[in-house]
Amino acid sequence: AQSVTQPDIHITVSEGASLELRCNYSYGATPYLFWYVQSPGQGLQLLLKYFSGDTLVQGIKGFEAEFKRSQSSFNLRKPSVHWSDAAEYFCAVGETSGTYKYIFGTGTRLKVLA
Amino acid sequence: DAGITQSPRYKITETGRQVTLMCHQTWSHSYMFWYRQDLGHGLRLIYYSAAADITDKGEVPDGYVVSRSKTENFPLTLESATRSQTSVYFCASSEPGRPQHFGDGTRLSIL
Repeated sequence: AQSVTQPDIHITVSEGASLELRCNYSYGATPYLFWYVQSPGQGLQLLLKYFSGDTLVQGIKGFEAEFKRSQSSFNLRKPSVHWSDAAEYFCAVGETSGTYKYIFGTGTRLKVLA
Repeated sequence: DAGITQSPRYKITETGRQVTLMCHQTWSHSYMFWYRQDLGHGLRLIYYSAAADITDKGEVPDGYVVSRSKTENFPLTLESATRSQTSVYFCASSEPGRPQHFGDGTRLSIL
């Protein structure tokens, strides 16, 4: 069955520190992969996406993610976190045909210490 | 402005009442989706639609009804609301295989 796992429910980092949010998926083929960010009371904003090609993808706000087929992972990284990055982050797997539905992970809430 | 609009943003109702959440998009995207967001569950798909007059169930469809008579609108109806349907509801739209765009959500409380 298709699934997405974000093993860290909460992560706390200091401002200026590096960040890595983990995402593992289960899918029968190479899926479309996404990271979204959600600020309190807001909808989800797309940070970056992977469809094919270069396995290191760049997104908005200085985020990047690396697709590792052998590990079924799509981890999100940022070299230096800003206080405004505090939010909830969701990894999603998208079907590549048929219904194009997404399966979301349960999210990782990021807290940034000043 | 182009975008996806959900209404109302907040709704309080009572068990047994019918309530309809509205979703309108201006991109003419063919696909539209309804999710509910609950603590510890992330977003779960309720229903989706591939085009006008084509809808299908998602992961948690029980107690919900959808329709899509026009491409731009995708209302979600709770026919007889229950407390377990208290949640935040998100509508999204996309073209096939493209990233989904989300509305700002409707926070629904059922007393």
